[in-house]
Amino acid sequence: DGGITQSPKYLFRKEGQNVTLSCEQNLNHDAMYWYRQDPGQGLRLIYYSQIVNDFQKGDIAEGYSVSREKKESFPLTVTSAQKNPTAFYLCASSPQPHRIVISNYGYTFGSGTRLTVV
Amino acid sequence: RKEVEQDPGPFNVPEGATVAFNCTYSNSASQSFFWYRQDCRKEPKLLMSVYSSGNEDGRFTAQLNRASQYISLLIRDSKLSDSATYLCVVNIPGTASKLTFGTGTRLQVTL
Repeated sequence: DGGITQSPKYLFRKEGQNVTLSCEQNLNHDAMYWYRQDPGQGLRLIYYSQIVNDFQKGDIAEGYSVSREKKESFPLTVTSAQKNPTAFYLCASSPQPHRIVISNYGYTFGSGTRLTVV
Repeated sequence: RKEVEQDPGPFNVPEGATVAFNCTYSNSASQSFFWYRQDCRKEPKLLMSVYSSGNEDGRFTAQLNRASQYISLLIRDSKLSDSATYLCVVNIPGTASKLTFGTGTRLQVTL
């Protein structure tokens, strides 16, 4: 079955460490996204990529980095520069390169990674 | 003004009740609208797209009012399993049109 897989499900980070969250999809989707969700809050866009080897900053990119070397993969690195990294991180994908209206398809989400700073 | 606004709730309703949520959006050029459902500590899942003429999927009905820039979700005959947070989602047009998520409306269906 096609889907989008995030790993690990839970991740603990020490102060000053960089950690990388994995996101892999086998839906043949062009676009991929990273969101952060804090308790009781909405989703905030960190980075997105419309095509391989290209990505753009979202609303809260500071302290994060991404790469898109393969269509299937869009890993997110939470660097030590991110001062408040504890959150629920969600990866999503969609088939449309976003220069046009998304044809009422929406996004497909992975099951998320809970990151906690210890 | 926020791009997408929702009443956070919670809406507490008895099983079998009908409940409606509204959501307003700020960009009149938006063209894609969705309702997502998010269970506690889980990822959002697409509930339904919202079409201009309105659409229905079983107990769920979605409506779009472009003139007033709001969308609505009506749930009839509420079930305990409908308890979740419902996210209103709208595309923000531009050279890189993206989906923007509302903060969600929490629904709790009780016996």
